[in-house]
Amino acid sequence: AQSVTQLDSQVPVFEEAPVELRCNYSSSVSVYLFWYVQYPNQGLQLLLKYLSGSTLVKGINGFEAEFNKSQTSFHLRKPSVHISDTAEYFCAVRRGGSQGNLIFGKGTKLSVKP
Amino acid sequence: EPEVTQTPSHQVTQMGQEVILRCVPISNHLYFYWYRQILGQKVEFLVSFYNNEISEKSEIFDDQFSVERPDGSNFTLKIRSTKLEDSAMYFCASIPTSGRLEQYFGPGTRLTVT
Repeated sequence: AQSVTQLDSQVPVFEEAPVELRCNYSSSVSVYLFWYVQYPNQGLQLLLKYLSGSTLVKGINGFEAEFNKSQTSFHLRKPSVHISDTAEYFCAVRRGGSQGNLIFGKGTKLSVKP
Repeated sequence: EPEVTQTPSHQVTQMGQEVILRCVPISNHLYFYWYRQILGQKVEFLVSFYNNEISEKSEIFDDQFSVERPDGSNFTLKIRSTKLEDSAMYFCASIPTSGRLEQYFGPGTRLTVT
């Protein structure tokens, strides 16, 4: 069965510092991976996705993630965070099949302090 | 850019009452999903729907739940007799075709059962 583990429930960081949010997955089939962001009192917005090809994926708002098959990881990074990046970030893997649902991790709350 | 919309944004109901949560997926989308997020927990899959029938459902989606696409635009989730533990944020999502892998999420409906 597929699963997603987000190793940090909360990550506090100062503005303009780099950040890495960790995500590990388990899957025995082809992997499609996603990062979603949830701002306070809002829905889920797609940040980036890995479907195939280059293992370094760039998304919106300056975020990027690297797919590492040998380590079964898909960590999210940003070289310099802003206050506006304060949100909860969810890593997800798509279950196999043409209509596969998403399996989410528990989320990481990123708190950017001035 | 087209968006998935959900109404109401917040619903308060008494235990044992029926509620209907409404979603309007993006107009050319064919696959629809409901997810829920209990406060402080991860987003969980409830059900997927295609061609006017349920494609897949999780163990959470018991006989108290039902989904419907009554008029070709709305996609509804009904909970027949709400329980306290049904209190959660409910998200609708859709994709245009089976070949597209990223799901587009609505802003969610916060259901509070008292």
